[in-house]
Amino acid sequence: DGGITQSPKYLFRKEGQNVTLSCEQNLNHDAMYWYRQDPGQGLRLIYYSQIVNDFQKGDIAEGYSVSREKKESFPLTVTSAQKNPTAFYLCASSISLSNSPLHFGNGTRLTVT
Amino acid sequence: GDSVTQMEGPVTLSEEAFLTINCTYTATGYPSLFWYVQYPGEGLQLLLKATKADDKGSNKGFEATYRKETTSFHLEKGSVQVSDSAVYFCALSDRGGGSNYKLTFGKGTLLTVNP
Repeated sequence: DGGITQSPKYLFRKEGQNVTLSCEQNLNHDAMYWYRQDPGQGLRLIYYSQIVNDFQKGDIAEGYSVSREKKESFPLTVTSAQKNPTAFYLCASSISLSNSPLHFGNGTRLTVT
Repeated sequence: GDSVTQMEGPVTLSEEAFLTINCTYTATGYPSLFWYVQYPGEGLQLLLKATKADDKGSNKGFEATYRKETTSFHLEKGSVQVSDSAVYFCALSDRGGGSNYKLTFGKGTLLTVNP
């Protein structure tokens, strides 16, 4: 079955360390996205990518970085510059950067202490 | 800019009760509207969508009608089940004057259905 795989499901890091969250899709979708979810705040867009080797900042990109070297993969790095990194991170994809629906992974819960 | 406002939760209902979750929006263009559902510990899943005024989206007993005159897209279900307990997100997709579509989410409404 096609879908989006995020790993790991839970991730723990010490403050000051960079950490990379994995996102892989086998839906053959061109567009991919990273969202951050905090209690009571809904979803906020971190980065998105329309095509391989291209990506754009979303609403809260500071302290994050991404790469899109392959169509299937869109890893997110949470750097030490992100002031409040503890959150639930969701990766999504869509056929294109249009109004087509998003398909989501099951998320990674990152805890930084 | 675009925005989505949905009723604050949590909403607690008994099984077989009628459900309404209100959603209103502000958009500069002609948006498509969506409801997504998030079950505990999981990502979001598309529940239903509507792409133009007066369209009705429906799925799994849930319905929502795109009302342009009231800029609303309220989610309804006639008889909820315990398995409907989840967080529900209203969202819109709009170009907002730019070249790319952007998806804007509401803050989510937690629904708990008791047996």
